[in-house]
Amino acid sequence: DQQVKQNSPSLSVQEGRISILNCDYTNSMFDYFLWYKKYPAEGPTFLISISSIKDKNEDGRFTVFLNKSAKHLSLHIVPSQPGDSAVYFCAATYNFGNEKLTFGTGTRLTIIP
Amino acid sequence: GAGVSQSPSNKVTEKGKDVELRCDPISGHTALYWYRQRLGQGLEFLIYFQGNSAPDKSGLPSDRFSAERTGESVSTLTIQRTQQEDSAVYLCASSLPSKHYEQYFGPGTRLTVT
Repeated sequence: DQQVKQNSPSLSVQEGRISILNCDYTNSMFDYFLWYKKYPAEGPTFLISISSIKDKNEDGRFTVFLNKSAKHLSLHIVPSQPGDSAVYFCAATYNFGNEKLTFGTGTRLTIIP
Repeated sequence: GAGVSQSPSNKVTEKGKDVELRCDPISGHTALYWYRQRLGQGLEFLIYFQGNSAPDKSGLPSDRFSAERTGESVSTLTIQRTQQEDSAVYLCASSLPSKHYEQYFGPGTRLTVT
């Protein structure tokens, strides 16, 4: 039962353009969402997060949008840079004592110079 | 400062053998997590330690899997009688007590069961 879904396994974007990565979830109890970035042979690194009380969170070139009614979130990267090429994982959790993260299967982003 | 470290980085073992994987969390991080990532899959939660509380073992896939943690430091994940389906990258993460959502991951141990 995949509670967090990333339906696009890969995405290619021209350098300087906007990258949009999407994520859907099925568990309405999730109330905190995160994006992690992973380079080959390294562990995932935290990128940005959003609480369910917000619909947008911005950090530099990275913005996460949350649509609770649609159970959908997205990560926007603008402008995209070659160093952004990595696998991006969406993750979700809920705030009543269990801090484990439920991850999606990831989207491989390739930035074309 | 030092990040989360894991050893070994790679492990090849024969089916039926036991393996032990090690994780050294970031100093001061009281929470420690084990996940695994099988080929083409997302990260799958295995077990969670928080201070001296009883660990959350709800993600362990079978009784062949066990984990221990010494105080708020090193953790070992043990897989007994390994099976080919245990082949995966095993990732350890740690977090501050006030920021459980932001987990810091180690580089992982790639386990191959032949």
